[in-house]
Amino acid sequence: DQQVKQNSPSLSVQEGRISILNCDYTNSMFDYFLWYKKYPAEGPTFLISISSIKDKNEDGRFTVFLNKSAKHLSLHIVPSQPGDSAVYFCAAGGADGLTFGKGTHLIIQP
Amino acid sequence: DTAVSQTPKYLVTQMGNDKSIKCEQNLGHDTMYWYKQDSKKFLKIMFSYNNKELIINETVPNRFSPKSPDKAHLNLHINSLELGDSAVYFCASRDRTISFRQYFGPGTRLTVT
Repeated sequence: DQQVKQNSPSLSVQEGRISILNCDYTNSMFDYFLWYKKYPAEGPTFLISISSIKDKNEDGRFTVFLNKSAKHLSLHIVPSQPGDSAVYFCAAGGADGLTFGKGTHLIIQP
Repeated sequence: DTAVSQTPKYLVTQMGNDKSIKCEQNLGHDTMYWYKQDSKKFLKIMFSYNNKELIINETVPNRFSPKSPDKAHLNLHINSLELGDSAVYFCASRDRTISFRQYFGPGTRLTVT
């Protein structure tokens, strides 16, 4: 049973446009959410996070939105750059660790 | 300086063997984790460990055991390796008193033949 779902395995976006990656979760006990970026043959690297008491967090080109009633979060990247091409994992969790989604492969087209 | 390191990066071994993967973090974190990324690309937590408590994901076979010689290290021992153990294993660490952000190592790709 997947508690964290990323329903889009891949997403292609033109350079300069906005990339929107989506994530849904089922466990209402999750109290924080993170986005990780992963390049091939490397470990996931932290991108941005949000706690359950907030609905938006912004860091430069990256913004994460949380809709608790819908159990949905999204990551917005604007403007998208070629270096943003990677797999993005949504993660949710508590003190014992993180539950990850399956990832979305973002491809930025020149 | 690498924050979370793992050795080896690649490990090829035969069924039935016993192997270990080492993990070290130089961040001074109090909690370390092991994750498994299987062929379907899911990253699943296997263990969570700090000085006081080991939390084991109940789906992990008891052939897997974490061993922590000190606060900066959490090694993963696997006995009687099986074909299904082939995966990429990631170590991670976190300072629970500061942040819920986890820092990941580069991963160890284990192939069991």
